[in-house]
Amino acid sequence: SAVISQKPSRDICQRGTSLTIQCQVDSQVTMMFWYRQQPGQSLTLIATANQGSEATYESGFVIDKFPISRPNLTFSTLTVSNMSPEDSSIYLCSVVGGNLGPREQYFGPGTRLTVT
Amino acid sequence: AQSVTQLGSHVSVSEGALVLLRCNYSSSVPPYLFWYVQYPNQGLQLLLKYTTGATLVKGINGFEAEFKKSETSFHLTKPSAHMSDAAEYFCAVSPGSNYQLIWGAGTKLIIKP
Repeated sequence: SAVISQKPSRDICQRGTSLTIQCQVDSQVTMMFWYRQQPGQSLTLIATANQGSEATYESGFVIDKFPISRPNLTFSTLTVSNMSPEDSSIYLCSVVGGNLGPREQYFGPGTRLTVT
Repeated sequence: AQSVTQLGSHVSVSEGALVLLRCNYSSSVPPYLFWYVQYPNQGLQLLLKYTTGATLVKGINGFEAEFKKSETSFHLTKPSAHMSDAAEYFCAVSPGSNYQLIWGAGTKLIIKP
């Protein structure tokens, strides 16, 4: 498996501000993903973080709102921009590939965001 | 389009009873199949997986699942429920074309004392 950390673990933010979430993994991985999980809901994929190039966004998510960086094979950031209360959610990063099993995704502990 | 259906958003069993969480999928290619567990206020943990080979797979915490291609199912079972099994369980499918997962809606397992 992999050890994945996320910072911050939780935050309370005011509307209109931005928050950057960091995801760090202890080994090189092929893919990194960012998800959103609304309370009591399943996971919704926001984007695939591509190393050295622009992220690939899913329908309904745009770069201006959720800019993503992935400068190397072990680190990625997700920024939630110009936040509104509707952005209150848990944000999760996951990784796959490298020395991990085929197609298994391993998840960070999540960042619990509350927007007031 | 591929999809994953988990029957029952909530499943309640008594401690010591059989746990059965249902998962059906649709996929045009042989899939990779996964079960994840999420304890309250935590991230997701891989419970077990099916890739190839033996269709009955064993996972952590005494859980197992059987891949039935003819039924397009991957149901999760545990012979005897424990209070610590109370959590949200997610079934996911990787259709094989890329690394993305298609997720079920999740089933909350409630254990009655």
